[in-house]
Amino acid sequence: GAVVSQHPSWVICKSGTSVKIECRSLDFQATTMFWYRQFPKQSLMLMATSNEGSKATYEQGVEKDKFLINHASLTLSTLTVTSAHPEDSSFYICSAPMGLAGGSEQYFGPGTRLTVT
Amino acid sequence: QKEVEQNSGPLSVPEGAIASLNCTYSDRGSQSFFWYRQYSGKSPELIMSIYSNGDKEDGRFTAQLNKASQYVSLLIRDSQPSDSATYLCAVISSGSARQLTFGSGTQLTVLP
Repeated sequence: GAVVSQHPSWVICKSGTSVKIECRSLDFQATTMFWYRQFPKQSLMLMATSNEGSKATYEQGVEKDKFLINHASLTLSTLTVTSAHPEDSSFYICSAPMGLAGGSEQYFGPGTRLTVT
Repeated sequence: QKEVEQNSGPLSVPEGAIASLNCTYSDRGSQSFFWYRQYSGKSPELIMSIYSNGDKEDGRFTAQLNKASQYVSLLIRDSQPSDSATYLCAVISSGSARQLTFGSGTQLTVLP
């Protein structure tokens, strides 16, 4: 069964509004979670690393003020897309390593498809 | 720049055949290697993890790792049309704090 959940699975919003996406680890604690974005027919692009109890680490070129990440607990990370624009329309996916070891297997959530009109 | 490279394909095999997917990585210090399957419009699904040299088998899937050659592969035996998907090779490089580096993926089509 699924070990990482995401909500919502899809969302349509108007340009200029904000959207929050939740990522939860099920039955395990995740001190670190990762947020990815994937455009059609392209590979996954890592956006940021979410760290429980501290600030997220953003990849180069990702605006931290636009993509707000909050790792509120050991099982929940949220990504808020602020002032969304049509170019933010994409498939957003989170992942979480199961285990504390450095090479732990990572599991992906089912993804959230965002459409900004 | 730590890189993971895969043949983008597309790779087509007949039903029942063996599909062979290959991946090379640039960071010799990498210790953890994974294969994910991604169906169109869905998120990646973990198929195999491998950490030491040699073969690791799980059902119809066999992962092979050769650290000296910096090469990891995935064999799918008795391929089924339901195996048609994009297969992503992922590596945790040395010093990356559990961050995965992905290859661009190989698109596999199994023909009935």
